[in-house]
Amino acid sequence: EPEVTQTPSHQVTQMGQEVILRCVPISNHLYFYWYRQILGQKVEFLVSFYNNEISEKSEIFDDQFSVERPDGSNFTLKIRSTKLEDSAMYFCASLGFVAREAGELFFGEGSRLTVL
Amino acid sequence: AQTVTQSQPEMSVQEAETVTLSCTYDTSESDYYLFWYKQPPSRQMILVIRQEAYKQQNATENRFSVNFQKAAKSFSLKISDSQLGDAAMYFCAYRSGANRDDKIIFGKGTRLHILP
Repeated sequence: EPEVTQTPSHQVTQMGQEVILRCVPISNHLYFYWYRQILGQKVEFLVSFYNNEISEKSEIFDDQFSVERPDGSNFTLKIRSTKLEDSAMYFCASLGFVAREAGELFFGEGSRLTVL
Repeated sequence: AQTVTQSQPEMSVQEAETVTLSCTYDTSESDYYLFWYKQPPSRQMILVIRQEAYKQQNATENRFSVNFQKAAKSFSLKISDSQLGDAAMYFCAYRSGANRDDKIIFGKGTRLHILP
């Protein structure tokens, strides 16, 4: 069964460092998303991406965040200068419109980011 | 803006018993999707069940079923014959059907404990 894969599974970084989280969505999907979950809290929408541009972003997704799909397969989330409050689990998701899966977001296993 | 409310932060059920998790949502749209996602300790978001708003029949997936009350904007999840593997955080979620790339909005979640 096709799946969304994310790397790394866990990254520890120093405050102020740049971090890139990578995602490989399901191959025939066209819409991609990043969500964030601070430990034990709500899953929050960050950004959606379609046709190589941002469709929508939340107020969390400020200038320190960026997304891109550089090679047609990987979908990356970059945090330029990490803050302590960026520590969270980051989930990538993709959306398909084929038959039964219509409307359903498929999530990766998440990347845990720890900022020290 | 759409909102999803889960009023039960935690619930417990005896193994083999039935439990119902509550969810209400607020929207002015007529076309949308509703979901229940499960998040076990592994942290991955796993789809449990989905419901299209235009369908009157309640969705069922094996031991999982929903009670979808469109007029009341209620979408509860019933788990029958609860098993130890059902222990997880359960998130109710809403997605607009208006635009292809609309994001999913999650409730705050209900942590379900299964008592042996």
